[in-house]
Amino acid sequence: DAGITQSPRHKVTETGTPVTLRCHQTENHRYMYWYRQDPGHGLRLIHYSYGVKDTDKGEVSDGYSVSRSKTEDFLLTLESATSSQTSVYFCAISTPDGTDTQYFGPGTRLTVL
Amino acid sequence: GDSVTQMEGPVTLSEEAFLTINCTYTATGYPSLFWYVQYPGEGLQLLLKATKADDKGSNKGFEATYRKETTSFHLEKGSVQVSDSAVYFCALDGRGGNEKLTFGTGTRLTIIP
Repeated sequence: DAGITQSPRHKVTETGTPVTLRCHQTENHRYMYWYRQDPGHGLRLIHYSYGVKDTDKGEVSDGYSVSRSKTEDFLLTLESATSSQTSVYFCAISTPDGTDTQYFGPGTRLTVL
Repeated sequence: GDSVTQMEGPVTLSEEAFLTINCTYTATGYPSLFWYVQYPGEGLQLLLKATKADDKGSNKGFEATYRKETTSFHLEKGSVQVSDSAVYFCALDGRGGNEKLTFGTGTRLTIIP
């Protein structure tokens, strides 16, 4: 158990509203990631962080922003949600064991109406 | 850039059948390779991994061998059970220094009694 929680687990919102998803880890791992999962696409990286206040874009970062003010928390924000952002969002951490293994949270199902 | 191609699903097998899920990759250098499994309603769990050519990863009766000459990492199990029903993802870490994973699109496996 990598000690990763995500909140909320489910959210329904309307187009144009801001949404923030939270990922929390208990073990002070340096690397954290946000992915979205969509049918036919597998998992696609949105943003990742390699330390407090250090973040970078993934392959599908448009429309998303992130923040990491503490080691244990990594926030994903949709500034103005769109229906195309309806998805399941997963947070992951990377353990420093030299093999780049990632461990995933339980996911947040977001529906944008 | 890095990419992973895995067998299209869904795959349906009878209990105790032999399973193969194909995975091939494109990457520069020497990536680490992973299989993740996702059970219904859950996040991804690491199933097995291999970090260099000819390594064999194994767990829960599943095996995969890192074949550099064919750029493949096929998942196999000799006798599947109903509890193996899940979605399986092949992934690679291109070791670009940022510990990002590239995932295949996933293969849904259903085992019938």
